[in-house]
Amino acid sequence: DSGVTQTPKHLITATGQRVTLRCSPRSGDLSVYWYQQSLDQGLQFLIQYYNGEERAKGNILERFSAQQFPDLHSELNLSSLELGDSALYFCASSVGRTDAADTQYFGPGTRLTVL
Amino acid sequence: AQSVTQLGSHVSVSEGALVLLRCNYSSSVPPYLFWYVQYPNQGLQLLLKYTSAATLVKGINGFEAEFKKSETSFHLTKPSAHMSDAAEYFCAVSSASKIIFGSGTRLSIRP
Repeated sequence: DSGVTQTPKHLITATGQRVTLRCSPRSGDLSVYWYQQSLDQGLQFLIQYYNGEERAKGNILERFSAQQFPDLHSELNLSSLELGDSALYFCASSVGRTDAADTQYFGPGTRLTVL
Repeated sequence: AQSVTQLGSHVSVSEGALVLLRCNYSSSVPPYLFWYVQYPNQGLQLLLKYTSAATLVKGINGFEAEFKKSETSFHLTKPSAHMSDAAEYFCAVSSASKIIFGSGTRLSIRP
């Protein structure tokens, strides 16, 4: 158990809909990262937040957005969903902001299926 | 720019045999390198990381990796495979702004 929690575990929805994925980082961790894992794209970094502020952006679509709240939990919002958005979405957390040596601790993931 | 290449999307070894998973990286600055393991239906878990201290890094579950700057490699090894090692393994390179993961290598263990 990494200490990172993600809800829900599974999500099934239809094209065009909007969903919200939730992540609670490990106690004491200030950074939260979001990743998308799919068979064709592999593991893709989406976005990082540190202590409530956006820190780094990866391959995140404009239809996707995220935020980190004062209690440090984070939400990833996916809108206008397409079939290709079906994937595993992972959240990870780490202690620091820019320390490249930081270990990231991954949650169990949310499996999103868009029908 | 950084990149990481894992050679072989699928590696199969017999139980008790040597495990060798290959990773080559490209980085314009001294890299931090990681190996993560993903068991079925689970998130990624850190196996080991290189942070410019010793070039031979020992990790959990008997795995180790050697940083070779001249070869830009960070291959993962384990002397004797166990059935429980069957999983997907990801090499990653990190800089101040983000971490980049390789495409993964699925390790299968034959009885």
